[in-house]
Amino acid sequence: AQSVTQLGSHVSVSEGALVLLRCNYSSSVPPYLFWYVQYPNQGLQLLLKYTSAATLVKGINGFEAEFKKSETSFHLTKPSAHMSDAAEYFCAVSEPSASKIIFGSGTRLSIRP
Amino acid sequence: GAGVSQSPSNKVTEKGKDVELRCDPISGHTALYWYRQSLGQGLEFLIYFQGNSAPDKSGLPSDRFSAERTGGSVSTLTIQRTQQEDSAVYLCASSLGGGPAETQYFGPGTRLLVL
Repeated sequence: AQSVTQLGSHVSVSEGALVLLRCNYSSSVPPYLFWYVQYPNQGLQLLLKYTSAATLVKGINGFEAEFKKSETSFHLTKPSAHMSDAAEYFCAVSEPSASKIIFGSGTRLSIRP
Repeated sequence: GAGVSQSPSNKVTEKGKDVELRCDPISGHTALYWYRQSLGQGLEFLIYFQGNSAPDKSGLPSDRFSAERTGGSVSTLTIQRTQQEDSAVYLCASSLGGGPAETQYFGPGTRLLVL
């Protein structure tokens, strides 16, 4: 069965610092992987997704993630945090035969001035 | 174009009452999904529609929960005899074709509070 683990329910970084949000997945087949962001009082928005093409995926707002099969990881990074990046981030997994996305528990990102 | 819309945005009800939550997907999207977001359980899949059919209802937590979709468009999630543990944000999403790699577009959610 597919599952996602996000390490750290809350991450705090200084403005301008590197953002690293960790995600590990479990899947019996090559998965599709997603990062969604949820700003306060808003719905979820897709940041980026991996669908078996390039292992380094670039998304919106300067975020990127690298699919590492050997580590079963799909960590999200951004070189320089901005105050507007403060939000909840969800990693998610789907399998080719599945009709649904399984979400991780989320990581709340705070940005310190 | 317009995104996914949901109504009402907030709903307060008394335990034991029935509630209906509505979702209007993006026009032309054949797939529609319902999720529930709560503090204790995170984001949980409830049900998936392809057209008017629901091939995956595996996430519905009990028989008090049901959903339908008509005209390949609007969907209604009904919760009968609401319980306090039903309090959550109910999110609807749609995608163009329903494939597992497709982007799902989410609505703003309906915040349900059962007193």
